[in-house]
Amino acid sequence: QVQVVQSGAEVKKPGSSVRISCTSSGGAAGGHSVTWVRQAPGHGLEWMGRIVPVLGITNYAQNFEGRLTIIADKSASTGYMELSGLRSDDTATYYCAKGTGGEVLDHWGQGSLVTVSS
Amino acid sequence: DIQMTQSPSFLSASVGDRVTITCQASQGIRDYLNWYQQRPGRAPKLLIYQTSKLVTGAPSRFSGSGSGTDFTLTIYSLQPEDVATYYCQHYDSLPVTFGQGTKVDIK
Repeated sequence: QVQVVQSGAEVKKPGSSVRISCTSSGGAAGGHSVTWVRQAPGHGLEWMGRIVPVLGITNYAQNFEGRLTIIADKSASTGYMELSGLRSDDTATYYCAKGTGGEVLDHWGQGSLVTVSS
Repeated sequence: DIQMTQSPSFLSASVGDRVTITCQASQGIRDYLNWYQQRPGRAPKLLIYQTSKLVTGAPSRFSGSGSGTDFTLTIYSLQPEDVATYYCQHYDSLPVTFGQGTKVDIK
């Protein structure tokens, strides 16, 4: 039984950074991606980027280039997402998900609510 | 980026009804299309991958079809536990993108 667990909710000031952790257990180690998706309140899903540790590849959505850093250990069992230069429209729930066979996101974390407010 | 357009945005149907949600890609994506179910207040959950492959444990009343640019998710007999928002997502190329979602409710 694969479980993906994320760190808790955060409240941040505009201009600051947030770091969210993601830990997966119970599945085969390596070979998959750790993908980050966010969802603003009342809105849909937005792909932010991913890392495929076994291949040493990281890809970011253009909207987040320069502000987003995704890292993970080689086994892809522990990963982090750091978003800098926070703005009020970064207020959202951030999800990490384990991806296989491309970006088939087969296991998701519970989500981490990030609130950006002065 | 490939745009994914779902319709309808909202639907309300009776228990036992057959429900169909469509997803159109702005260009061909072969069969690289997934469907996710997001129940209220919960994380999304993979329901169907690669257009038509049902995730282990998902009810058989869910079915996916399509290819190229036009895809369909069908719920053959709507149940109360199917109340959720459903999202399609392509993975033909990066960035992957999601449809805007279809909210399904019970009449």
